[in-house]
Amino acid sequence: GQQVMQIPQYQHVQEGEDFTTYCNSSTTLSNIQWYKQRPGGHPVFLIQLVKSGEVKKQKRLTFQFGEAKKNSSLHITATQTTDVGTYFCADTSGTYKYIFGTGTRLKVLA
Amino acid sequence: NAGVTQTPKFRILKIGQSMTLQCTQDMNHNYMYWYRQDPGMGLKLIYYSVGAGITDKGEVPNGYNVSRSTTEDFPLRLELAAPSQTSVYFCASSYSVGMRVDQPQHFGDGTRLSIL
Repeated sequence: GQQVMQIPQYQHVQEGEDFTTYCNSSTTLSNIQWYKQRPGGHPVFLIQLVKSGEVKKQKRLTFQFGEAKKNSSLHITATQTTDVGTYFCADTSGTYKYIFGTGTRLKVLA
Repeated sequence: NAGVTQTPKFRILKIGQSMTLQCTQDMNHNYMYWYRQDPGMGLKLIYYSVGAGITDKGEVPNGYNVSRSTTEDFPLRLELAAPSQTSVYFCASSYSVGMRVDQPQHFGDGTRLSIL
């Protein structure tokens, strides 16, 4: 079935460093959503990208949708300890269902 | 609004026991989902529902059953619990028009289930 891969699987960064996670699909994505799950918490919706090449920003977070709509990225500038968690992308191309990526677990060392 | 409410938050079951995980949402969402998340892993879809009276299997439905008698409620039933079902279970809901899912999913806090 359709899969959405995320890389890296894990990332440890020093506080203040930047962080990027990539979401890749073998098929063209309709829309892409990003979620954050804090340790011990539940996934929380961050943003949705719809258009080819779209770039959206939320404070230190920058989300980008690839020109071919087969990949997406989330970049965090100057990470803080509050950024700790697992970031999931979700493909909404399917019928009725969301296809979640494998997730990238971020640890920020103070 | 409470959003998506799951009960219980924690539960320990013995092998072979049965239980129902409750999920209710007050956002009038038509689509509802059950996921399981094993430690350090991603979300696996168990069952989903696109409206009252309509349910369908996800990628890991074996050992589970669901029902959707109302828009608000989507309980998940575990029959004959097995150690492999130890996991965190999340219920989620969203609003969609037609077959496309282009709105955010709202998740409950989860039920942490251990089977010993």
